[in-house]
Amino acid sequence: GAVVSQHPSWVICKSGTSVKIECRSLDFQATTMFWYRQFPKQSLMLMATSNEGSKATYEQGVEKDKFLINHASLTLSTLTVTSAHPEDSSFYICSAREGISGTTPTQYFGPGTRLLVL
Amino acid sequence: RKEVEQDPGPFNVPEGATVAFNCTYSNSASQSFFWYRQDCRKEPKLLMSVYSSGNEDGRFTAQLNRASQYISLLIRDSKLSDSATYLCVVIRGGYQKVTFGTGTKLQVIP
Repeated sequence: GAVVSQHPSWVICKSGTSVKIECRSLDFQATTMFWYRQFPKQSLMLMATSNEGSKATYEQGVEKDKFLINHASLTLSTLTVTSAHPEDSSFYICSAREGISGTTPTQYFGPGTRLLVL
Repeated sequence: RKEVEQDPGPFNVPEGATVAFNCTYSNSASQSFFWYRQDCRKEPKLLMSVYSSGNEDGRFTAQLNRASQYISLLIRDSKLSDSATYLCVVIRGGYQKVTFGTGTKLQVIP
């Protein structure tokens, strides 16, 4: 299946710093990428949908000025957590949608980034 | 009411057993459905798509019931390696609205 990478896989930072997470589709072009957050023992929660070349669509309750998303190319989307606080500590997962004409689009997930804000 | 609901479990079943999970969705406009598997501290991985006619992949069978608005996953001859959390995913709005269920935890015991 298609491969999606995320970098970094682990981040530990001080409160107030900004953290950038990269999501890359390695062997396909993804016009749409999704960013999720998962707290321990909870389900994935969609934060935003990112379309290449346009502004991301944020889910209700997700602050767009705090979670900056840039989808500058068909293979790269970035999520920047600005002025991170301990409550932002979570598992952030991106996914990229592969859509081959005539088939049902499939979402492939990156391995996730664990963020710990001290 | 949540858009997608699953029984969180855990379902503890012996090896070789057959187990089934359901996932209900509230929006009748939902158009595509998937089952994902998530191992502890790992990202979700696609297990199978769910088609209206039902589909089977080895020991796994997925079905969709649009009238009652639920999808199901049946696992036959459970293996220890099947232990994981199974997430249902419901998509609508031209693939722009993707909603995950909370997941059902399966523990297969020897």
